[in-house]
This record gives sequence, structure tokens and C-alpha cells, in this order.
Amino acid sequence: KQEVTQIPAALSVPEGENLVLNCSFTDSAIYNLQWFRQDPGKGLTSLLLIQSSQREQTSGRLNASLDKSSGRSTLYIAASQPGDSATYLCAVPPSNTGKLIFGQGTTLQVKP
Amino acid sequence: KAGVTQTPRYLIKTRGQQVTLSCSPISGHRSVSWYQQTPGQGLQFLFEYFSETQRNKGNFPGRFSGRQFSNSRSEMNVSTLELGDSALYLCASSLSWGETEAFFGQGTRLTVV
Repeated sequence: KQEVTQIPAALSVPEGENLVLNCSFTDSAIYNLQWFRQDPGKGLTSLLLIQSSQREQTSGRLNASLDKSSGRSTLYIAASQPGDSATYLCAVPPSNTGKLIFGQGTTLQVKP
Repeated sequence: KAGVTQTPRYLIKTRGQQVTLSCSPISGHRSVSWYQQTPGQGLQFLFEYFSETQRNKGNFPGRFSGRQFSNSRSEMNVSTLELGDSALYLCASSLSWGETEAFFGQGTRLTVV
């Protein structure tokens, strides 16, 4: 049974810092991994999707890496800004379907 | 291009009542999935529909049901509401079944009193 874990649960950093969020999964037979952002009381915004054949994906100040063999993914945020404050979630499908298994998320606070 | 639209945004219901939530996927997307989000359990998968057929179902009681229409719009229904059903219900749309890049709506906040 696939389980997804995100550490740390919460993170507070000063503006301008580079930071790394971690996501680990127990079954390495994944099709892809998706990172999302959620603002309080809102829906999820898709940030990056990494296919199983890829090692990393980049979008602006965000870079996500994937290491299937070790069951880990990281989301790197460069030059953090207060607007980056949100909860970040990673998710994997247990098979090639639309069902996603989510981690519990990392709540990020970037202080001005 | 319009995103995923969920209606209503907020609902307050009484225990024992039933409720229907609606989701309109991104134009051209044919797969719709539903999730329940609570502070204690996080995001949990409810069900997935593609071409009006339920393809996957999560571990929820039979009080939770759904359907998808020919235009890909989907509804979920919860009967005999319990206090524990209070949650944010999120709908996600994907291009096709097995295409797991998911795009989420803003959610429906259901409060059961």
C-alpha cells in the first residue's frame, strides 16, 4: 500500500532564503509525482508534474526532483517570498489512474 | 480557458439531511475525481469517473455516491449527513482516464450541524 510522507510538517523562513521541501513514498513503482500548493480554505494549484522517466522539472523559481529508487522527491524554492506562504502537498498515483495518494503537506511561512 | 468550477462554495446542512455537490471540469477533460479534505485525515480519495463510468472508489461508506453526465460534469451526493462529514470537498479534472495530471477546483466547504 502506497504511503506518502512529507517532512517537515511546518517551516518558517525569512524572505529571500532558498529552501527544500521533502516528500517520500513507500512504493517506488510510480507513474509520476505531482506537487501542489494550497492556500488556506482554497483548492489545490498544480505546481509541477514529474513523470517517472524524468529526474527533475522546473517552473520559474521552483525545481522538483524525483529519485524513484530511493522513494524521494524534493521541491526547491529559490529566493522565497512572503507570497510563497502556503501548504505544499505532494501526491502520487498508486497505478495509472486518476486516484492520487497525498502526503500531509508542509506548511510554509515566509516572513518579510 | 476556464478552470474547474465547483458549486456551491459553502453549504451548511443539518445532521440527517442529504447534499449534492457539483463539479464542472476543464473544457475537454473527461475524467473527474473527488476528494475529501479534513484537518485530521488530510486529503482522501472518494471516487473517479470517466465517460460516465465510475473507475475507482475510495474507502468511504455507501452514503457517498456520485455520477458523471455526458458533458463530463459530475455530481457527488452524501445522504444521511453526519457531523464527521464536515469537510472541504475537492474536485479534480484530468484530460483522460489514466492521465493523472490533476487540476483542482476551489472546493465546496460543507458544514454539518
